[in-house]
Amino acid sequence: AQKVTQAQTEISVVEKEDVTLDCVYETRDTTYYLFWYKQPPSGELVFLIRRNSFDEQNEISGRYSWNFQKSTSSFNFTITASQVVDSAVYFCALETSGSRLTFGEGTQLTVNP
Amino acid sequence: DAMVIQNPRYQVTQFGKPVTLSCSQTLNHNVMYWYQQKSSQAPKLLFHYYDKDFNNEADTPDNFQSRRPNTSFCFLDIRSPGLGDAAMYLCATSRDRLYFGAGTRLSVL
Repeated sequence: AQKVTQAQTEISVVEKEDVTLDCVYETRDTTYYLFWYKQPPSGELVFLIRRNSFDEQNEISGRYSWNFQKSTSSFNFTITASQVVDSAVYFCALETSGSRLTFGEGTQLTVNP
Repeated sequence: DAMVIQNPRYQVTQFGKPVTLSCSQTLNHNVMYWYQQKSSQAPKLLFHYYDKDFNNEADTPDNFQSRRPNTSFCFLDIRSPGLGDAAMYLCATSRDRLYFGAGTRLSVL
């Protein structure tokens, strides 16, 4: 069975602070994909990143960066110099060949001015 | 340009009155999904189509049905909505990843 755990239910930071959202996953498959989605108050799920299990390189996209560590089954997401517009619910998700996408419970990020 | 379009964005229905939610896509993807998302929860998969093959999740209530008349369109029918069915309903297609529509927020009075 697949499982995704986002231990942080809510995080509140002040603008310009860096913030890391944690994601830990469980699967017995050796081939799998990890995702992060952002859900702003409007409700639409916005794709942020897709990473396959064979690519452990960290990735940076502007103020966003992702740290994938197979040894600890983690795929953490860092926002540098956070902005109010980053306020949203962030979902980590896991997909394997034998199962549909499994979402974590989400982390509500609030960035205060 | 929107690639997965859901109509309407907000839907209000009465307890027990059938309601249909619509989804269309311009991506020509084979797979389409319907998710239900209740407040402060993760999206929950209801069912999906691979082309015309319908796949129901084991715990999806019989009250929820779906139709896919062609590649571009998919409908979610709730035969007798209850108060517990009030939620955001998300349609998605997939190729390398899920492409979500903006969702339909359903209220049941």
